[in-house]
Parts: sequence; structure tokens; C-alpha cells
Amino acid sequence: GENVEQHPSTLSVQEGDSAVIKCTYSDSASNYFPWYKQELGKGPQLIIDIRSNVGEKKDQRIAVTLNKTAKHFSLHITETQPEDSAVYFCAASLNSGYALNFGKGTSLLVT
Amino acid sequence: KAGVTQTPRYLIKTRGQQVTLSCSPISGHRSVSWYQQTPGQGLQFLFEYFSETQRNKGNFPGRFSGRQFSNSRSEMNVSTLELGDSALYLCASSLDTGGVSYEQYFGPGTRLTVT
Repeated sequence: GENVEQHPSTLSVQEGDSAVIKCTYSDSASNYFPWYKQELGKGPQLIIDIRSNVGEKKDQRIAVTLNKTAKHFSLHITETQPEDSAVYFCAASLNSGYALNFGKGTSLLVT
Repeated sequence: KAGVTQTPRYLIKTRGQQVTLSCSPISGHRSVSWYQQTPGQGLQFLFEYFSETQRNKGNFPGRFSGRQFSNSRSEMNVSTLELGDSALYLCASSLDTGGVSYEQYFGPGTRLTVT
């Protein structure tokens, strides 16, 4: 089955700096890659997603890039703010409604 | 529009008991998926229901089961609880028109503690 690896597991940045989280996946058939943000005591919140026919997608301070050949995708957060502090999860799936295979998460701290 | 709701939010059970968790999807969403979240294993897919039928299933024992009602509300059941079943159980709903599926939105989860 699909295996998603996520790095780093923890990331500490200063307010205003950029943060980058990287994920790799194993199943070349995966074509949907969402990113979720989870705050303490809450469920994961979808923040951005990308499909395999797109190489990059941006939404204000958040961007995601996808390299299908290398089977990796990344989340970029610019101008980080304290409220960006949370655990971020990447996931891969055959389709947006199918089972999501999650990475282990990255705990981001913005100070 | 109201988000995904899950009840109860917290639950404490004893080993050997069974438990039923409930999920109400976003209005109009027909697909409901369940995930288990633990510190050790992370987020793992349990099963997905669409139009009252289980469409996908993860790698969990038969003690974990679910169902979906005609109004798209879903329940999951865990029988013969084990200590290792302690976890946050998350429900996610998706707008699925039967041919095209969309993003999954998660509820706040049910925190199950087995003692």
C-alpha cells in the first residue's frame, strides 16, 4: 500500500521566516495530495491541496509544490505568524474522496 | 454551514466493553470516512461509506465496524475493547456526487479511553 514519509518531525522558526515541510510517497498511482493543520484539541483542518495534473498551487501565504517524477511534495508557509503554530500533516490518495494515507506529522512552532 | 459533528466528544470505557460513536456530516455530503489517530501510529484509515454502503476499508480487525444511514449520518462500533483502542476517532465527510469526489473535512473527533 501507499507509504507517506514526512520531514521534519519538528520545526521551529522565528516569526516572519518561512517554513518548509516535505513529504514523499511510494504509490505512483496517487494523484491527490492534501495538507492538514491540526491544533490542540481539534480535528485536522484542510489548508491546501494539489492534484497530480498541477505542479504548484498557492493560497496567500501558503503554497504547495508537487514533483510526480520524484514522488515528493512540499508545503511552504511564508511570513509565519504565531497562529501558524500547530501540527501539519501531509497525505496522499488515489482520489480526493478515497482513503487518505497520512504522514506522521510536523510540529511547527513559530516564536 | 455547520461542520462535521461527532458525539460524544469524550468517552471512557472498560476493556471488553463495546462502544458506538456517531458522526453527522456536512449538509449535502454523502461520503463519510473514519480514521483512528494515536501518538504511535498516527492517522490511520478505518473505512468509508457512501450511500449506506461501505466503499473502502482499512487494515483493522473485524471488531471495528460501521454503518451509514439514509440521511448520511454514520456510526462506528468497536466491540470487545482493548487498551490499544484508546485513540482519537475522527470522522471526515466529502461531497461525492457518485462520479466525482472532493475534499475531506474532519470533525473534532471522539476521544476514547479504554481502562
